[in-house]
Amino acid sequence: AQSVAQPEDQVNVAEGNPLTVKCTYSVSGNPYLFWYVQYPNRGLQFLLKYITGDNLVKGSYGFEAEFNKSQTSFHLKKPSALVSDSALYFCAVRDHSGAGSYQLTFGKGTKLSVIP
Amino acid sequence: KAGVTQTPRYLIKTRGQQVTLSCSPISGHRSVSWYQQTPGQGLQFLFEYFSETQRNKGNFPGRFSGRQFSNSRSEMNVSTLELGDSALYLCASSPVGTGYSYEQYFGPGTRLTVT
Repeated sequence: AQSVAQPEDQVNVAEGNPLTVKCTYSVSGNPYLFWYVQYPNRGLQFLLKYITGDNLVKGSYGFEAEFNKSQTSFHLKKPSALVSDSALYFCAVRDHSGAGSYQLTFGKGTKLSVIP
Repeated sequence: KAGVTQTPRYLIKTRGQQVTLSCSPISGHRSVSWYQQTPGQGLQFLFEYFSETQRNKGNFPGRFSGRQFSNSRSEMNVSTLELGDSALYLCASSPVGTGYSYEQYFGPGTRLTVT
């Protein structure tokens, strides 16, 4: 079974400061990892993904994420937070061990608040 | 390209009724997945369809069902609605169905309220 943990329900950061939203995962094989963002009353928007290769992945809106296999983590980062980054962030994992499931498993979400 | 569209956007139903939600994927996408989002349970996977076949199913009762048409459009149906079915129902499509690396693109969701 695959699972995702987002240990922080809420993260507060001052505008202009770096931000980190944490994610750890559990899969039986190798993971495909994704970050999504959700604004109020909207669907989820894809930010970035890790498939293979470079452990630092760059995505939309200046976000990046660092894959750490030994710590089974995939933390989302941004060097300088904007008020408009305030939203709900979801980490997701898919196990590509060949078990046949294409299902994405999501974390519970982390609410990011950027304070002006 | 147009994004994933879902209709209706908002729906109010009474306990015991049934409801059908519709999803049109991005053109060319053949995989459609459905999720239920609630404040308490977060995002929960309902089912996934590829080429008109249900390929995966989440842990939901049989009251929840779905189907996919030959044009990849999908519908989900909930029969005998319960108060706990109140949620945001999200549809997502993917460009291919045989690989694991593709991200899903989400629609805006249908907000279902059961009274």
